[in-house]
Amino acid sequence: QVQLVDSGGGLVKPGGSLRLSCAASGFTFSDYYMGWIRQAPGKGLEWISYISSVGRSVYYADSVKGRFTISRDNAKYSLFLQMNSLRAGDTAVYYCARGRLFGEPTFDYWGQGSLVTVSS
Amino acid sequence: EIVMTQSPATLSVSPGARATLSCRASQSVSNNLAWYQQKPGQAPRLLIYGASTRDTGVPARFSGSGSGTEFTLTISSLQSEDFAVYYCQQYNSWPPLTFGGGTKVEIK
Repeated sequence: QVQLVDSGGGLVKPGGSLRLSCAASGFTFSDYYMGWIRQAPGKGLEWISYISSVGRSVYYADSVKGRFTISRDNAKYSLFLQMNSLRAGDTAVYYCARGRLFGEPTFDYWGQGSLVTVSS
Repeated sequence: EIVMTQSPATLSVSPGARATLSCRASQSVSNNLAWYQQKPGQAPRLLIYGASTRDTGVPARFSGSGSGTEFTLTISSLQSEDFAVYYCQQYNSWPPLTFGGGTKVEIK
């Protein structure tokens, strides 16, 4: 069965960096676009980034452009989010999610989420 | 950026009753609209895509309708497991992909 396992969250100081990972299994990872969506405490969903199946195309929300980098390793069935210059407003649960077939950016499977807390 | 507005923010419904949730887009998104359900402490679950197509395994009591700027998610007979927060998401014009603020369906 399809499984996405998020990891790498934690407490980081403002201006710091963190790298999130998402381990995928149960499907052919290289066939699917993948994305990151976050949810601040008690708030709604915010799309962050999306990457094509072979990693050639990447997309970012303006709120993270230039600070966050999405990448993937298809051989290792892994998705990553490198987060630099972190701010208090980046505090959230970060979910990796699988895009539906053919790159349609709706998300049919989600990881359990990884909590990132940015605080001094 | 397309802004998605959901109403009401909270909907109080009795078990077995019908629930109607609304989602409005600031400009046309054609039928490129998805609905998600999120329960406390859990990741969201895709319910509907293409405005009206149920994802695999989604019960038939969930139905989506609409196109352009006005969309509706209907739950025909609320079960206990349906009390949750529901989000709409447009994917017609992106980036960015945008979500509505959510509607919480609570027990009346």
